[in-house]
Amino acid sequence: DAGVTQSPTHLIKTRGQQVTLRCSPKSGHDTVSWYQQALGQGPQFIFQYYEEEERQRGNFPDRFSGHQFPNYSSELNVNALLLGDSALYLCASSLWGTANSPLHFGNGTRLTVT
Amino acid sequence: AQSVTQPDIHITVSEGASLELRCNYSYGATPYLFWYVQSPGQGLQLLLKYFSGDTLVQGIKGFEAEFKRSQSSFNLRKPSVHWSDAAEYFCAVAPYLYNTDKLIFGTGTRLQVFP
Repeated sequence: DAGVTQSPTHLIKTRGQQVTLRCSPKSGHDTVSWYQQALGQGPQFIFQYYEEEERQRGNFPDRFSGHQFPNYSSELNVNALLLGDSALYLCASSLWGTANSPLHFGNGTRLTVT
Repeated sequence: AQSVTQPDIHITVSEGASLELRCNYSYGATPYLFWYVQSPGQGLQLLLKYFSGDTLVQGIKGFEAEFKRSQSSFNLRKPSVHWSDAAEYFCAVAPYLYNTDKLIFGTGTRLQVFP
């Protein structure tokens, strides 16, 4: 039973560039959420996707956008990268409509902006 | 606004000793509360959660947590720590009961275990 998989594991980008991170949810899950975890901090919610639509959004600028595909996988796009975007980006999946279904997290993508 | 506070940034215990990690939350209604663990280079793994009912919740790996509404706390405990418990521990609250994927996390407590 495959868990949540994310790619790539590490990424180095330059300020001003754009980046795309990818996530495949756990088998049987249809909802994907993205979190940003800065060094020494707890994860912060970016947004959630279900049925290819953004359902909830945290306090992140429009430079952060996402997409969900028919197979439930998802992408996180960040435009005009800033040094402060350096963080571990975590993808999590769940089954929509089941409050008792816990979030399953991937191992994350470490993004470094130079 | 909802928030979670983990007062202890770093805790060190000896293997076999008991453990208590503190968590305080700010939330108007009955909260949904969670404890996650993160090992180096890994994602987060759910240890336990509280939605309602019995205020003492049992989780995986021998952990338990107690919800105390009067103290706005949800402290995590383990009677005997193993070296493999060394990790970062995060307390979280779900601000929306109808959609618990949006979690507010504390800043975490790093647990170090000495042999």
